[in-house]
Amino acid sequence: AQKVTQAQTEISVVEKEDVTLDCVYETRDTTYYLFWYKQPPSGELVFLIRRNSFDEQNEISGRYSWNFQKSTSSFNFTITASQVVDSAVYFCALRRAGGTSYGKLTFGQGTILTVHP
Amino acid sequence: DTEVTQTPKHLVMGMTNKKSLKCEQHMGHRAMYWYKQKAKKPPELMFVYSYEKLSINESVPSRFSPECPNSSLLNLHLHALQPEDSALYLCASSQEGEGETQYFGPGTRLLVL
Repeated sequence: AQKVTQAQTEISVVEKEDVTLDCVYETRDTTYYLFWYKQPPSGELVFLIRRNSFDEQNEISGRYSWNFQKSTSSFNFTITASQVVDSAVYFCALRRAGGTSYGKLTFGQGTILTVHP
Repeated sequence: DTEVTQTPKHLVMGMTNKKSLKCEQHMGHRAMYWYKQKAKKPPELMFVYSYEKLSINESVPSRFSPECPNSSLLNLHLHALQPEDSALYLCASSQEGEGETQYFGPGTRLLVL
């Protein structure tokens, strides 16, 4: 069985602070895919990043960075110099490989991030 | 262009009504998905279509009836819904292939009275 845990239910920061959103996953598969999505109040899930289990390189995209560590089954997301527009619910998700070529995402419960001006 | 469109944005219906939700993508994706999301919860998969054929039905009640008229369109027909079916309904699409990213539409907020 697969599981994704986002232990932080809500985080509140002041603009320009750095913030890290934690994601811990469980899977017995050796090949799998990890995702982060952002859901602003408008409702749409916006894709942020995809990582496969063989690629442990950390990634930086502007103010966003991701730290993937297989040894601790974690895929954490850091926003540097947060802005009010970063306020949203952030979901971490896991998809197994193999079987059908499309499939079910296992989502974490989400972390509500509020950035105050 | 990673755009999935959904109509309507909001829908209010009575328990005896019949309505439909529509989803469209023009990215050439061959897999399309319906998700249901309750407030403060993650999305839950309902249906998956691959090459216009229903591939996954996550034990969804028959009052929800999906339809994929062509590779770009996905409908969700609603009939005799219950108030607990009120939720955000999200459509997504992806390429075929292992681990392909699912791209989501803005959703339809449904209220069943």
